[in-house]
Amino acid sequence: EIVLTQSPGTLSLSPGERATLSCRASQTVSSTYLAWYQQRPGQAPRLLIYGASTRATGIPDRFSGSGSGTDFTLTISRLEPEDFAVYYCQQYGSSLYTFGQGTKLEIK
Amino acid sequence: QLQLQESGPGLVKPSEALSLTCTVSGGSTSSDNHYWGWIRQPPGKGLEWIGSIFYSGNTYYNPSLTSRVTVSLDTSKKQFSLKLSSVTAADTAVYYCHKGSSYYFNMDVWGKGTTVTVSS
Repeated sequence: EIVLTQSPGTLSLSPGERATLSCRASQTVSSTYLAWYQQRPGQAPRLLIYGASTRATGIPDRFSGSGSGTDFTLTISRLEPEDFAVYYCQQYGSSLYTFGQGTKLEIK
Repeated sequence: QLQLQESGPGLVKPSEALSLTCTVSGGSTSSDNHYWGWIRQPPGKGLEWIGSIFYSGNTYYNPSLTSRVTVSLDTSKKQFSLKLSSVTAADTAVYYCHKGSSYYFNMDVWGKGTTVTVSS
């Protein structure tokens, strides 16, 4: 089973700043099968990025994904108030899915 | 626009089975391009994949739950279901159903979630 480790656990930033979230895999992950989700309090998760770098429908272009192999990054270029939430990475491999433990993005 | 809605008991007794249904509206369940699945989130914790089912009928389960989980698909009713047997307090969680892409193996549409509490 591939383990995804997200860092940092909590990120404190101000609106307008740039956020960089990391997701590291215990084994190589195909970029095709790496996704990022946003979860606001009391809501279901929402797909942000799939295929490591493709924005899902309706996702603003301030969100971008990058990386390959075992290291992947979600970047939010200029934080808006609605971006403060928990973010999860997810991978698929060998018919199994795993999620990272999440990064909480909080207002500084 | 495809939407998903979970339904089922909010309270289940320990050792009994948890059964949930997800109803699909605004789209078809009869496509090789999609698959259907369940995710859960214990209170204050992260996301855990439970299981997935494809139009072909193939199912895949989390190894930690495989002995207790069954996911099924009824295309005539546009529903898919989760059954989790022998539940304990550790199965208390918000349960989400979702649709995914059969190419990217992501989860691109989610239900709003339903809270299931295991308690006597």
